Amino acid sequence: AQSVTQPDIHITVSEGASLELRCNYSYGATPYLFWYVQSPGQGLQLLLKYFSGDTLVQGIKGFEAEFKRSQSSFNLRKPSVHWSDAAEYFCAVLLTDSWGKLQFGAGTQVVVTP
Amino acid sequence: KAGVTQTPRYLIKTRGQQVTLSCSPISGHRSVSWYQQTPGQGLQFLFEYFSETQRNKGNFPGRFSGRQFSNSRSEMNVSTLELGDSALYLCASSLQGSDGYTFGSGTRLTVV
Repeated sequence: AQSVTQPDIHITVSEGASLELRCNYSYGATPYLFWYVQSPGQGLQLLLKYFSGDTLVQGIKGFEAEFKRSQSSFNLRKPSVHWSDAAEYFCAVLLTDSWGKLQFGAGTQVVVTP
Repeated sequence: KAGVTQTPRYLIKTRGQQVTLSCSPISGHRSVSWYQQTPGQGLQFLFEYFSETQRNKGNFPGRFSGRQFSNSRSEMNVSTLELGDSALYLCASSLQGSDGYTFGSGTRLTVV
């Protein structure tokens, strides 16, 4: 079945430490891939996106993601986390035969400790 | 430029009533999508409109409907509200889909 999986529901990281959030997808073809972040009570903010080309994508707020076709993964990373990075992060895919229909993973809640 | 604007931000309705939510996309964006977000089901796609035409629809009952106007503004309507319809409803707009979707802050609907 087509799906987007974020294996980690909850991650706790110390401020200044590195962060990696995992995302795997299961689709016949490579979809368009996105990472969004959501602060409590707010909408979703686009961090970065991948369509084709360079498999390492740079986004806003110091985030980057790497697309690995062989692993059907699109993991999000940040070298040094700030307290303001505490939020929920969603991986999403968009299929070219389903424009407008983002399919989201369940999300990963990130807690940042001092 | 202005972002995606959703109104109202908060809404409390009684079971059995109907509700209309509004979404104004970013100027120039013709694609508008709607999502329902709940703690139990996560983010679920409702429908997408492009140039006033519904192109995709999610797996929601017919009580959920939407429309898009010629200025790309969109509305969604939920009739005969149920307690389970309590959720954050998010609207997103895009220029052409592949460039990514910009989300509004959402409408928090509570059904009592």
